[in-house]
This record gives sequence, C-alpha cells and structure tokens, in this order.
Amino acid sequence: KQEVTQIPAALSVPEGENLVLNCSFTDSAIYNLQWFRQDPGKGLTSLLLIQSSQREQTSGRLNASLDKSSGRSTLYIAASQPGDSATYLCPGNTPLVFGKGTRLSVIA
Amino acid sequence: EAGVAQSPRYKIIEKRQSVAFWCNPISGHATLYWYQQILGQGPKLLIQFQNNGVVDDSQLPKDRFSAERLKGVDSTLKIQPAKLEDSAVYLCASSRDPGRYYGYTFGSGTRLTVV
Repeated sequence: KQEVTQIPAALSVPEGENLVLNCSFTDSAIYNLQWFRQDPGKGLTSLLLIQSSQREQTSGRLNASLDKSSGRSTLYIAASQPGDSATYLCPGNTPLVFGKGTRLSVIA
Repeated sequence: EAGVAQSPRYKIIEKRQSVAFWCNPISGHATLYWYQQILGQGPKLLIQFQNNGVVDDSQLPKDRFSAERLKGVDSTLKIQPAKLEDSAVYLCASSRDPGRYYGYTFGSGTRLTVV
C-alpha cells in the first residue's frame, strides 16, 4: 500500500529565499509524478507533471525531479514570493495517494 | 480547455439529512475520481470511475455514500444520512487515462459542513 511522506510538514521563510520540498514514497513503482498546490479552501492546482520517461520538469521558478530508484521527489522553488504561500502536495501512484502535504508560508 | 466543474461550492446540512454533489469532468476524460479531504489532511480517494463503470470503491462507506456516473460523463456523489464526521471538502478529478501518462485535473471542490 502506497504511503507518501512530505518533509517538512510546514515551512516559513522570508521572501526571496530558495527552498526545497521533499516527498518520499513507500512504493517506488510510480508511473508519473504530479506536484500540486492547494490554497486554503480551494481545490488542487497542478504545478508540474513529470512523466514516466522523464526525470525532471521545469516551469518558471519551479523545478521538480523524480528519482524512481529511491522513491523520492523534490520540488525546488527559486526566489520565493508571498504568492507561493500554499500547501504543496505530491501524490504517488495511480489512483493518486496523498500525504498531508507541506504548508509553505512566505513572509514579505 | 474548460476545467472540472463542481457544484455546489458550499453546503451546510444537519446530521441525518441527505446531500448530493455534482461533477462535470473535462470533455473526453474517461476517468473520474471523487476524493474526500478532511481539514488538515491530504485528500482520500472515495471512488474511481472508468467511463461509467466503477474501478475502485474500496474506501467508499457504502452504508451511507453512493456515487454514479451516468453515460460516462457527469457524476453525482450522495450522502444519506450525513454524520458530523462527513464534514470535509469533496473534490472531483478527471484524467484522460488512469493517470499513467496524462495528469489529473481537480475541480474547486464542495465544502460540506454537517451540524
């Protein structure tokens, strides 16, 4: 049974910092990996999708990587902004299995 | 493309009442999912449809929850009777395939409060 652990559970940083969010899976048989953000009271917004043949994906200030051999994924956020404040989720497997996410707060 | 549509956006009911949520997935997405998200936790899968057939409903509390997807498009999730612990956000998601190649798109969710 897939279990997802996200570290740290919560993070508070000043604006402009680069930061790394980590995700690990008990079952490394992952087809693709999709990172989401969730604003309070809202649905999930897709940030990046790393497909099975890829190891990383970039979009603007975001870069996500996937190491299937170790069952780990990392989301790197460059030059963080207050608008990045949200909960970040990295579900594994199909259908998606979620951990509790990382709650990010970027202070202006 | 238009996103996943859900309604209502919010619902407040008393315990033991019934409630229904509606989801319209992205056109052409064969796979549809309902998730329950309790405050402070990640979403939990309730049921997965492939076209109009159920693929996985192992975590659906079938004594009170039911879901259908008529004609392989829209879906309805019903709770009857509701309990206090059903208070949560109910999220609908869809995908072109079972998520093996394409990603998932989520709706904005329905926030249910049972009092």
